[in-house]
Amino acid sequence: GQSLEQPSEVTAVEGAIVQINCTYQTSGFYGLSWYQQHDGGAPTFLSYNALDGLEETGRFSSFLSRSDSYGYLLLQELQMKDSASYFCAVRGYSGYSTLTFGKGTMLLVSP
Amino acid sequence: NAGVTQTPKFQVLKTGQSMTLQCAQDMNHNSMYWYRQDPGMGLRLIYYSASEGTTDKGEVPNGYNVSRLNKREFSLRLESAAPSQTSVYFCASVAGGTDTQYFGPGTRLTVL
Repeated sequence: GQSLEQPSEVTAVEGAIVQINCTYQTSGFYGLSWYQQHDGGAPTFLSYNALDGLEETGRFSSFLSRSDSYGYLLLQELQMKDSASYFCAVRGYSGYSTLTFGKGTMLLVSP
Repeated sequence: NAGVTQTPKFQVLKTGQSMTLQCAQDMNHNSMYWYRQDPGMGLRLIYYSASEGTTDKGEVPNGYNVSRLNKREFSLRLESAAPSQTSVYFCASVAGGTDTQYFGPGTRLTVL
C-alpha cells in the first residue's frame, strides 16, 4: 500500500520562507502532488512533480527526489493568507487516478 | 462553469437514518471520487468511478454505496447512518490523463 509522512504543524512569520517535507512509501510511483486547504474549505491543487527536481509556480515551489522517496513544498514571502493545511499525495490505493493523501501539515503564519 | 457542486452543505442525522449525498461536475471529467475527512486523518477515499458505468471501492467503503448516475453525477448513500460516519465528505473529479483533482465544497454530516 501507500503511506506518507509529513509534519503535523509548522509555524512561521510573514515574509519568511517555510519548507514542508513529505516522505512516502508506495509501490509503483507516478508522481507527488500538493494540495492546499483553508479552514472550512475544499482542497485545491497546488503542484505536481513526476520527475526529480524543482517545479516553481510563483511564490510556491515543489521538489521531488525519487531515489529518496522524498519531496517538499517551499513557500516564499509568506503571507497571512497562506495559513492553511497542506497535503502531499501520491497516486495510489487503487491505481487508476486515485490519490492517497498524507494527514496534512497545518501552517500557521503570524504577523 | 460551476466546477464541482455538492448538496447538501450540512446535514444532521439520527443513528439508523439513511441519506444520499449528491455531487455533480460540469467539466466533462471522466473520473469522480468520494472522500471523507476526519480531524488529523487527512482525506480517505471511500469510492471512486473511473468512468460512467463503473464504480470501485476505495480505502474505507464499509457502510456506503455509490451510484454513477451519468457522466456528470456521482452520489454517495448511507443506508443506516452510524455516529462513526460523522465527517466532512468531499466529492472530486479528474480530467483524463492527469492526477489533478478538483474538489467540491464538501458536506458536513453529523450523526447523533
